[in-house]
Amino acid sequence: DARVTQTPRHKVTEMGQEVTMRCQPILGHNTVFWYRQTMMQGLELLAYFRNRAPLDDSGMPKDRFSAEMPDATLATLKIQPSEPRDSAVYFCASGFPYSNQPQHFGDGTRLSIL
Amino acid sequence: DQQVKQNSPSLSVQEGRISILNCDYTNSMFDYFLWYKKYPAEGPTFLISISSIKDKNEDGRFTVFLNKSAKHLSLHIVPSQPGDSAVYFCAATSGTYKYIFGTGTRLKVLA
Repeated sequence: DARVTQTPRHKVTEMGQEVTMRCQPILGHNTVFWYRQTMMQGLELLAYFRNRAPLDDSGMPKDRFSAEMPDATLATLKIQPSEPRDSAVYFCASGFPYSNQPQHFGDGTRLSIL
Repeated sequence: DQQVKQNSPSLSVQEGRISILNCDYTNSMFDYFLWYKKYPAEGPTFLISISSIKDKNEDGRFTVFLNKSAKHLSLHIVPSQPGDSAVYFCAATSGTYKYIFGTGTRLKVLA
């Protein structure tokens, strides 16, 4: 079974440090999403890409978050500088909208900012 | 402003009985709805979906009902099994492939 792969699975770091989360979408999927799961908001969409181009990043705090897709097999989400309120689980999902197939999720990166 | 709401944070059901999870939405432009299931330390996995042109979709023990006039959908699980214990998210989209998720309902099926 093809899977979305996220690394690292866990990250603990101190406030102010840069954090980079990586995602390998399913081969052939041309749309990639970044979500953040919090208790209060559920699954919030941060940003998404189609054919590696950013389509919508309105859910992201622009001053500290950035998302990129350097190539079709890698999406990154960076936080610099990180803050304690960024502590959450970050999920990547991928899909192919023209196939009527739902988005497939990775197992997430659990981020703790001390 | 939450466009997709799951007002019950948790639900407990006896094994073998029916589980009913509810979801309300506010945007009348949504035309496709999905349910995802999430186990601890894993990502959400797709469960079942429904198009706005239908009012019911069934897949084994899982049935999703859509009431467009009430802007309400529900997921029925019959019979419930202990392995169904998970967090369930409903999601909606308006044809853009951009999903809006609810906050989730934690289902506990008691053996």
